Amino acid sequence: DTGVSQNPRHKITKRGQNVTFRCDPISEHNRLYWYRQTLGQGPEFLTYFQNEAQLEKSRLLSDRFSAERPKGSFSTLEIQRTEQGDSAMYLCASSLDWGEKLFFGSGTQLSVL
Amino acid sequence: KNEVEQSPQNLTAQEGEFITINCSYSVGISALHWLQQHPGGGIVSLFMLSSGKKKHGRLIATINIQEKHSSLHITASHPRDSAVYICAPGGDNTDKLIFGTGTRLQVFP
Repeated sequence: DTGVSQNPRHKITKRGQNVTFRCDPISEHNRLYWYRQTLGQGPEFLTYFQNEAQLEKSRLLSDRFSAERPKGSFSTLEIQRTEQGDSAMYLCASSLDWGEKLFFGSGTQLSVL
Repeated sequence: KNEVEQSPQNLTAQEGEFITINCSYSVGISALHWLQQHPGGGIVSLFMLSSGKKKHGRLIATINIQEKHSSLHITASHPRDSAVYICAPGGDNTDKLIFGTGTRLQVFP
């Protein structure tokens, strides 16, 4: 068990570019969550998956954001046409199932210049 | 009014002191998580509870579902307890968590 892994750790991009983040959850964890955290604030829910099915999306997830978990294992979060307001720490977490303990990755820090 | 409110927002303590962090929420929940985040570090889940009380080492978490209130206590605080502590209730009909803004704790030797 290597924990939840996120890549890259840091991403600097220019406004208007597309970026993609990857999350590898703990193996056999059915639930995978994406959150966003800005400085001084608590994380905000973005979306979550039960296996490969995306069950809920936040209103924060505009059309420029898309998340996938194609085989129920790793997940990707893509942001198209990035804006400066997208700068944040993007956190991934996984759990065995509903109501189980959450395990968080170290996050991907996105800076949009 | 925020759905989750934590108090205090900042807390300074001397090593050995008993610490209490409070969390009040307005949403219906199925469970509540207490999380710890060190500066520049990841988030660690401390407790998940839906009723009563849980204890792990020097940490104790309690919840009162009727009053929509939870507390995190740290006994015999230590400088390594310095971190941000986040309360996150889980929605009643959804699996998403609603996070508080956290309580920043600093414990001095």
